[in-house]
Amino acid sequence: DVKVTQSSRYLVKRTGEKVFLECVQDMDHENMFWYRQDPGLGLRLIYFSYDVKMKEKGDIPEGYSVSREKKERFSLILESASTNQTSMYLCASSLAADRTDTQYFGPGTRLTVL
Amino acid sequence: GEDVEQSLFLSVREGDSSVINCTYTDSSSTYLYWYKQEPGAGLQLLTYIFSNMDMKQDQRLTVLLNKKDKHLSLRIADTQTGDSAIYFCAESILVVEDSSYKLIFGSGTRLLVRP
Repeated sequence: DVKVTQSSRYLVKRTGEKVFLECVQDMDHENMFWYRQDPGLGLRLIYFSYDVKMKEKGDIPEGYSVSREKKERFSLILESASTNQTSMYLCASSLAADRTDTQYFGPGTRLTVL
Repeated sequence: GEDVEQSLFLSVREGDSSVINCTYTDSSSTYLYWYKQEPGAGLQLLTYIFSNMDMKQDQRLTVLLNKKDKHLSLRIADTQTGDSAIYFCAESILVVEDSSYKLIFGSGTRLLVRP
């Protein structure tokens, strides 16, 4: 079974703090993704990575950065958290050779920025 | 443009069938997916269908694809209270510039199953 884990289920931070969200997958997947989920807006792609040290902007990258130093780990960084970044953050991974591009998701991190 | 639309809410009685509908705009879709998200949990892949298929059945789940109308549906037979969740439709489309694929998600349909 594919397993995607995220470092925290719930996180509360203050405005201006630097926030790290960690994601780890154990299936040797090349592709990893960070989404945020907001009511009525569905899932929106923030960043994705198709290889170690490679990253591509998604649809809403502003205010975020990412790091992929090892294949199994993909980190989302909020350099200076703001209240409009309060959201559910979902990490996903997929196998590059899989033509279905099936993405497997972690349980999510609910981040609240006060 | 790329857009996936779903109705926001569906309520059914336990034991009835549920049908969740989805429309998409990009005709180059290769695969279409249904994901389930239970309260407080992440997304779980339920099923997917290749774009050249009309129907796929997997136990209580039936996926119907009308490619001409760009319409996808998920039917859950004998709906149970444990099926209460948010269901997301997604399409996989080819990014021509770099031959990669990306997923476009709908905003999700909240299914409420009443006892």
